[in-house]
Amino acid sequence: DQQVKQNSPSLSVQEGRISILNCDYTNSMFDYFLWYKKYPAEGPTFLISISSIKDKNEDGRFTVFLNKSAKHLSLHIVPSQPGDSAVYFCAARAIGAGSYQLTFGKGTKLSVIP
Amino acid sequence: DAGVIQSPRHEVTEMGQEVTLRCKPISGHNSLFWYRQTMMRGLELLIYFNNNVPIDDSGMPEDRFSAKMPNASFSTLKIQPSEPRDSAVYFCASSLEGGYQPQHFGDGTRLSIL
Repeated sequence: DQQVKQNSPSLSVQEGRISILNCDYTNSMFDYFLWYKKYPAEGPTFLISISSIKDKNEDGRFTVFLNKSAKHLSLHIVPSQPGDSAVYFCAARAIGAGSYQLTFGKGTKLSVIP
Repeated sequence: DAGVIQSPRHEVTEMGQEVTLRCKPISGHNSLFWYRQTMMRGLELLIYFNNNVPIDDSGMPEDRFSAKMPNASFSTLKIQPSEPRDSAVYFCASSLEGGYQPQHFGDGTRLSIL
């Protein structure tokens, strides 16, 4: 049973527009959420995170929104640039025992078209 | 600052051979993780070390897999004997312990067992 789901395997966006990547989770014990970006032949790179006590975190062009009641988070990239083309992974960590463990979604491939 | 360093980047070997993957975590990080990425299962945690001690190896697929961390700056993941189904990308990640600390990944080792 997938506890972290990224239902869109791919997304295409025009350069300069907003990219919105979505992630749903099922485990109510998750208290920390992260987004990673991955280019081919490289490891995942940490992008931005949010703890469950917040509903928004912003870093430059990247903003993560958390809706705890809906168990949903999203990553907004504004404006999108061709260099943002990559696979984006959502990850979550639960509180309590085993709190080191990240559960990853399967990823969404973002293509930003010039 | 140097990130997580993994070697080799690529490994091709024949079934039955021993394979050793290496990882140097980020200096000062006291948590180290080994992951395996496959198309079918995505990113899976294999083993977690804290302060050089294995804390959780429940993700290690079978006895053919073993991992060590002899000191704070080096870890190995060994497969003996290797099998074709072990073919995957293996990532090492490190982080600071506690609080909301992201894991930082190396660029991975792409392993192909013929």
